[in-house]
Parts: sequence; C-alpha cells; structure tokens
Amino acid sequence: QKEVEQDPGPLSVPEGAIVSLNCTYSNSAFQYFMWYRQYSRKGPELLMYTYSSGNKEDGRFTAQVDKSSKYISLFIRDSQPSDSATYLCAIPNQAGTALIFGKGTTLSVSS
Amino acid sequence: DSGVTQTPKHLITATGQRVTLRCSPRSGDLSVYWYQQSLDQGLQFLIQYYNGEERAKGNILERFSAQQFPDLHSELNLSSLELGDSALYFCASSPPGGVGNYGYTFGSGTRLTVV
Repeated sequence: QKEVEQDPGPLSVPEGAIVSLNCTYSNSAFQYFMWYRQYSRKGPELLMYTYSSGNKEDGRFTAQVDKSSKYISLFIRDSQPSDSATYLCAIPNQAGTALIFGKGTTLSVSS
Repeated sequence: DSGVTQTPKHLITATGQRVTLRCSPRSGDLSVYWYQQSLDQGLQFLIQYYNGEERAKGNILERFSAQQFPDLHSELNLSSLELGDSALYFCASSPPGGVGNYGYTFGSGTRLTVV
C-alpha cells in the first residue's frame, strides 16, 4: 500500500460548486497534513496546514483530518475559475526529513 | 515570486548527455530538497541537503547526484540521460525546524526534455 493515495481525477465543476478533494494515508503515526495547490507550469504552493485531527478553515477552504479513518479532505466552497489547478496532499515521512505527496487531483471550475 | 530560484527553466538535451540544474533557496532557509515530477509518478522525493550536508535520500538514481554549496545554493547533476528522465524537476526549501512545522516553498521548476 502506498503511503499516500489520492484520486487523480480530473474533476470538473461549475462555478459556485462545493468541491471535495480527498486523500488516504497508511501510517497512523502521521501528525502533520498539508495541501498544496499547483497551477499549470508552476511550482506547488502551500495552501493549508493542519496538525492532528479536526478541521481548519481559511476563507473558502476547509481542511479536515480523520485520523481514525486515515483520511484527509480539502473542501472548497463557492468554487471560482481561479481555483482551477492541481491539488496535492502532503504528509511528512516517518523520519520527518521530507514530504510525501499524493499524485494530485486536477480540478477545473467552469464559469 | 516564491523566493526559491531555479535555473534554467527549460532544458532540451540528447540521450547520454549530462546536465546540471541549479537552485537558490529562500533567504534564511537551510534545507534544500529536490523532487522529480512526472505524469505517471507524481512528485517523487530525490534528495535533501541541510546546511551543506546530505540529510536524506529518496528515489534518486545512481546516475543522479546533488550537492549544496557554502552559500546554500544547490545543484542537481543528471548524467547518462535517458528518455525516461524527461520530467519537471523542482527544488524546494524550508527553514530550520523540520518540514512538519513549516512545509516547503517550491521553485518554479526546470522542465527537462531528453530527446
């Protein structure tokens, strides 16, 4: 089983929709969870960061961690065409020396 | 501008050749990470340097090597290039304290095409 798994999509939604992006992970010891956003031909940028279980909200974005299910989610409310990008979940490896990334979900929001 | 500078942006070279990719980390960051991104494999961790010393290795091929210099810039050397090495290569940096605390800042990448 891979350490981090993510459905690559693609996912297409109309403007204003609520989007749910998900990842599963295998190691229950993981404590830090991140979401990166990558626009075409650009480097990934840190979008959300959560520690342990629970929710974290930042504007239209909510990151959720369910450690009992080893499941992390990113919700985007009132999605905009500018949200069209690839979203990658990331978790530090067990040694804490590097981030392990999911393969990314490509989102397209149409106006 | 993320503060992490990668050069060149694009590189086209022939099989069997050797190339060097360069990265300058964000000011104050001591760690540099190299990643390879391809469509089928996603972002794969290659190697990490911290303040000039190698700290961790990921899925880095023996044909690839890296180093970090006293001014903290880093170079990734790719040799005996094969068609399958065509990919986006990203450099990222992070401040002291571990990736779990701060995550990474990525550069804009080098797109390598091997023909």
